[in-house]
Order: sequence, then C-alpha cells, then structure tokens
Amino acid sequence: KNQVEQSPQSLIILEGKNCTLQCNYTVSPFSNLRWYKQDTGRGPVSLTIMTFSENTKSNGRYTATLDADTKQSSLHITASQLSDSASYICVVRENAGNMLTFGGGTRLMVKP
Amino acid sequence: KAGVTQTPRYLIKTRGQQVTLSCSPISGHRSVSWYQQTPGQGLQFLFEYFSETQRNKGNFPGRFSGRQFSNSRSEMNVSTLELGDSALYLCASSLGVNSYEQYFGPGTRLTVT
Repeated sequence: KNQVEQSPQSLIILEGKNCTLQCNYTVSPFSNLRWYKQDTGRGPVSLTIMTFSENTKSNGRYTATLDADTKQSSLHITASQLSDSASYICVVRENAGNMLTFGGGTRLMVKP
Repeated sequence: KAGVTQTPRYLIKTRGQQVTLSCSPISGHRSVSWYQQTPGQGLQFLFEYFSETQRNKGNFPGRFSGRQFSNSRSEMNVSTLELGDSALYLCASSLGVNSYEQYFGPGTRLTVT
C-alpha cells in the first residue's frame, strides 16, 4: 500500500532559527514529489516539485531534497519567519496509475 | 490572471441532502482536481479531470461524483450527505496532469448537521 509519512507531526521553533521537515514514502513507481505550504483557512500553495532525477531544489528560504533510493525527502527552512507558521504537506504521485498519496502534514509554529 | 475560484465558500446542509460545489480553474488550465480535507484524515484525493474526462478517482463512495465542462470549469456533487462529509473541499487546477504545478482554490467549507 502506498504511504507517505511525515515527521514531526508538529514543531515549534524561534524566529530566525532553521528547521528540517521529513517525508518518507513507499509510493512506487515514483513520478514526482511536491511540498505544499498551507496557511490556516487557505488552500495549499506549492513550494517545490521534484522528479526522480532531482536531488535538491530551492525556492527562496525553502530547500527541498530528494533521495529516490531511500525514498526520503526533506524540506529545510532557513532563517524562519513568523509567516512560516503553517502546515507543510508532502504529496507523492505514482507513475503507473497517476494517483496521489498525501502525507499527514507537519504543523510548524514560529514564535517571536 | 485570476486564481482558482470556488463557490460557495461556506455551506451548511442537513443529513440526507445533496450538494453541488463549483470550481473555476485558472484561465488556460485544463486539469482540475478535487480534494477533501478533514482534521482527522488530512488531505484526500477525490478525482481529477482533464479535458472533460475523469483521469483518476480516489477511494470515495459513489455518493461523490464530479464532472468537467468544455470551458474546464468543474463541479462536484455529494448525494445523501452524512455527518462525516463535513470538511473543507479544495479544488486545484493545472495546465496538465502529472508534473505540472497545481494551484489550489480557497476551498468550500461544508458543514453537515
């Protein structure tokens, strides 16, 4: 069964600090992996999308990594800001049936 | 360019009723996907449409159905509503399927009483 596990479930950090969120998946065959940021009461916003051949991709202070061999991805947030407080969701698309599997998300809170 | 719009934004229905939600994708986007989001289950995929054809369907009962029109606008319908259908229903549009970026709408908050 295809699964996407995210850790930690929730995280509290101080403004200005860095943090790393993890995503492990069992989806196979793999097509791509997306990281989304979802503010409370809003729809998710795509941060990065990574295909099999991509190891690292950055979007401002967000850097995603992908290890397709170990089926792990991480999202690193540098110099966190209060506006980074949100849920971060990892989504993996399967290649064969084109299905999407969602992680449960990591709820990040950045405190001043 | 206008973003993805969903109507209505909020809806209250009673058990047994049916509901239709609407989604207008970004101009030029031909793929529309629907998701259900609840605190307990997180985001779950409902279905995906491309050029008026359903490309993929999630693991939901037949009470959940959808369609896409020639202008790429999409509707989803839930019949015989149950309390457990209370959720945020999100629509996302993209140029095509698979690798294209998805852009989400603000969602429709459905409450079933």
